[in-house]
Amino acid sequence: GQNIDQPTEMTATEGAIVQINCTYQTSGFNGLFWYQQHAGEAPTFLSYNVLDGLEEKGRFSSFLSRSKGYSYLLLKELQMKDSASYLCAVTYNTNAGKSTFGDGTTLTVKP
Amino acid sequence: DTEVTQTPKHLVMGMTNKKSLKCEQHMGHRAMYWYKQKAKKPPELMFVYSYEKLSINESVPSRFSPECPNSSLLNLHLHALQPEDSALYLCASSQDAQGGYGYTFGSGTRLTVV
Repeated sequence: GQNIDQPTEMTATEGAIVQINCTYQTSGFNGLFWYQQHAGEAPTFLSYNVLDGLEEKGRFSSFLSRSKGYSYLLLKELQMKDSASYLCAVTYNTNAGKSTFGDGTTLTVKP
Repeated sequence: DTEVTQTPKHLVMGMTNKKSLKCEQHMGHRAMYWYKQKAKKPPELMFVYSYEKLSINESVPSRFSPECPNSSLLNLHLHALQPEDSALYLCASSQDAQGGYGYTFGSGTRLTVV
């Protein structure tokens, strides 16, 4: 089966940097997504990592280590609007479209 | 057009009703998905269509019946649902089933079964 772990909640201060970790155990791993979901809204795509390393996209960066089954999402220069749930999701069984989401990390940004 | 459009946004139905949820995208995506999301829980995959063929059914009860009439449309037919089926139903699409460019989600249909 698939097992994905991420912290339930995190709190950070506006302007700071926060790192949200995700560990996974999965067979047939293909890649790892990060999504942002505001309360009552649909998830929005942030990043997709297939290879090891860091991918930077503006204030958000995502890192993957396939050998360690580990990823993190790094948010810089936090803004109040970054308060949301951050979902880690793994895809597996290449070409079949299978994916499993972690339970999500609720990030609260305080002034 | 970079959106996935879902209708209706809200639906209340009785346990003996038959209703359908609709999803549409015009991004040329060849994979489309149905997810179910309960409050404070992550989305759970229900069905995957790849090139208009059903490729994954995650052991979903038969009271949920998906249909992909063409590459832009995805329906979810509902019949004899239970109150525990009340949830947010999300449609998503991606360029292909590998999803390497991410999924684009619709805003969802909030379903209440009474």
